[in-house]
Amino acid sequence: DVKVTQSSRYLVKRTGEKVFLECVQDMDHENMFWYRQDPGLGLRLIYFSYDVKMKEKGDIPEGYSVSREKKERFSLILESASTNQTSMYLCASSLRKTGADGYTFGSGTRLTVV
Amino acid sequence: GQSLEQPSEVTAVEGAIVQINCTYQTSGFYGLSWYQQHDGGAPTFLSYNALDGLEETGRFSSFLSRSDSYGYLLLQELQMKDSASYFCAVRDLETGGFKTIFGAGTRLFVKA
Repeated sequence: DVKVTQSSRYLVKRTGEKVFLECVQDMDHENMFWYRQDPGLGLRLIYFSYDVKMKEKGDIPEGYSVSREKKERFSLILESASTNQTSMYLCASSLRKTGADGYTFGSGTRLTVV
Repeated sequence: GQSLEQPSEVTAVEGAIVQINCTYQTSGFYGLSWYQQHDGGAPTFLSYNALDGLEETGRFSSFLSRSDSYGYLLLQELQMKDSASYFCAVRDLETGGFKTIFGAGTRLFVKA
């Protein structure tokens, strides 16, 4: 069964900390994505990557960066965590750029910034 | 810009049929997808429509009308386990057909 694994289910961090969210997929997918999910807002795209060392900004990249050193791993970095970054973070991957095969999501990381 | 609209909540009775609508505005369109998400779980892919018409997968069907920028998800023979949030999502052709934009989600409550 294909899998997207996010390293932490719950995280609590302090304001100003640098936070790393890790995501690993075992499907040899080239395309990986980071979304955040907030009530009433759905899923909003932060960054995505369609190849190793490639990255593209999504709709809300401010305050975030990403790293894709290996095909299977896509990391989201909060440079200096703030309370408005408290959210559920979802990593996803897909085989096709068209999305016809759908995204496979990880279970999510619920981040609380205090 | 892009936007998707879907109802925030729908309630239906077990065994019934329910339709969740989705209208979208996008400068480019490549396809409409549907995802299901149970509380505390990850979204799971249900269907994808690139062409007009109805796609059926078991109890779930998805419809697309590109001329009306409209689609819907149809759930038949509702079961309690279908209580979940359902998201429509469109591929944004503006950025090469690569970015997927999600709606805010429709919370479906199935009553006994």
